[in-house]
Amino acid sequence: GENVEQHPSTLSVQEGDSAVIKCTYSDSASNYFPWYKQELGKRPQLIIDIRSNVGEKKDQRIAVTLNKTAKHFSLHITETQPEDSAVYFCAASVAGNQFYFGTGTSLTVIP
Amino acid sequence: DARVTQTPRHKVTEMGQEVTMRCQPILGHNTVFWYRQTMMQGLELLAYFRNRAPLDDSGMPKDRFSAEMPDATLATLKIQPSEPRDSAVYFCASGFLVAGTGRENNEKLFFGSGTQLSVL
Repeated sequence: GENVEQHPSTLSVQEGDSAVIKCTYSDSASNYFPWYKQELGKRPQLIIDIRSNVGEKKDQRIAVTLNKTAKHFSLHITETQPEDSAVYFCAASVAGNQFYFGTGTSLTVIP
Repeated sequence: DARVTQTPRHKVTEMGQEVTMRCQPILGHNTVFWYRQTMMQGLELLAYFRNRAPLDDSGMPKDRFSAEMPDATLATLKIQPSEPRDSAVYFCASGFLVAGTGRENNEKLFFGSGTQLSVL
């Protein structure tokens, strides 16, 4: 089955700086890569996703890049704000089948 | 704003008791997942259904856990008997997923608010 690894497990940045979270996957058939943000005590919420036919996608301050050859994808958050503090999960999926999640990154934005 | 609904939000029970968690997927979604979240293991897949049929429950301890979809609007996860190590947050998630088509916009997964289970 698919194996998704996520790094780092914790990340602290100063407000206004950028944050980068990286994930690798093992199954070359995976073709859909969503990112979820989970605030304390809340449900994971989809914040951005990318399909394997696209190399980069951006939505305001967040962007995701995908390198299919190397089997890794990354989440980039620019101009971080305290409300970006949360746990972020990456996931990989093969065409609507199971979703395999990374172990999560706890991001703290220091005001 | 359609949402996945889970009940109860919190459950405290004693070891050996039966626990039933319920999930109402978003109307029109054909795939339902059950995940367990702990600090140590992250999000573990327990079982998932497509069009109410179980596709994979290999992540679920079969001796005590069972998952069903009696109809398209209800998924249940039952633990009997419960044990302290079952204490975790249980999430249900749903999506309209069509395997193998590669179609755009058919793979988004939406989570419920979770059931915080404490087994004493």
